[in-house]
Amino acid sequence: EAQVTQNPRYLITVTGKKLTVTCSQNMNHEYMSWYRQDPGLGLRQIYYSMNVEVTDKGDVPEGYKVSRKEKRNFPLILESPSPNQTSLYFCASTLMAGAANEQFFGPGTRLTVL
Amino acid sequence: QKEVEQNSGPLSVPEGAIASLNCTYSDRGSQSFFWYRQYSGKSPELIMFIYSNGDKEDGRFTAQLNKASQYVSLLIRDSQPSDSATYLCAVGASGFKTIFGAGTRLFVKA
Repeated sequence: EAQVTQNPRYLITVTGKKLTVTCSQNMNHEYMSWYRQDPGLGLRQIYYSMNVEVTDKGDVPEGYKVSRKEKRNFPLILESPSPNQTSLYFCASTLMAGAANEQFFGPGTRLTVL
Repeated sequence: QKEVEQNSGPLSVPEGAIASLNCTYSDRGSQSFFWYRQYSGKSPELIMFIYSNGDKEDGRFTAQLNKASQYVSLLIRDSQPSDSATYLCAVGASGFKTIFGAGTRLFVKA
């Protein structure tokens, strides 16, 4: 089954404790993104990757890191989480680089930073 | 700052009516436009995409694009209670970014 998976689905952590949210897709998609979704603000793009070893900042990259060492995986790293990073996070993938294609979303990761 | 604006709603329509959802965008270089539906607690899923000025129909859904006015809309005909969700407008902005609106909540009353 074609899908985007994220883990964990729910996470409660404390300020400053490094964490990684994994994202994997099995569709051989080139383009992958991370978004956060907050009430009233919609989906905001954190980082995106056009292919292996090619990443760039979205609109809200502060406090986040990403890497793209393999085509299928695009982990999101919070080196020192803070309460303002409490949010619902979605990973998404698209067949080709460029914003002109349908994005397939993972199930979401609900993160709470205390 | 590139922006995509939507009325947050909620928009309430009776079953069988036409629901009209609207979206404006600020980046004139935008080339691709999408409507996603998001049920509560779920991830967004694509309903329609449109690239050219005019109308595009798919079943009960019609997307309308007017690049001169920087306006895109989604019409849902014969609305059903199962259409109740948040509808997200997304714009493929210049470069490789995608900008989402905050979404419009739609309620279809049985």
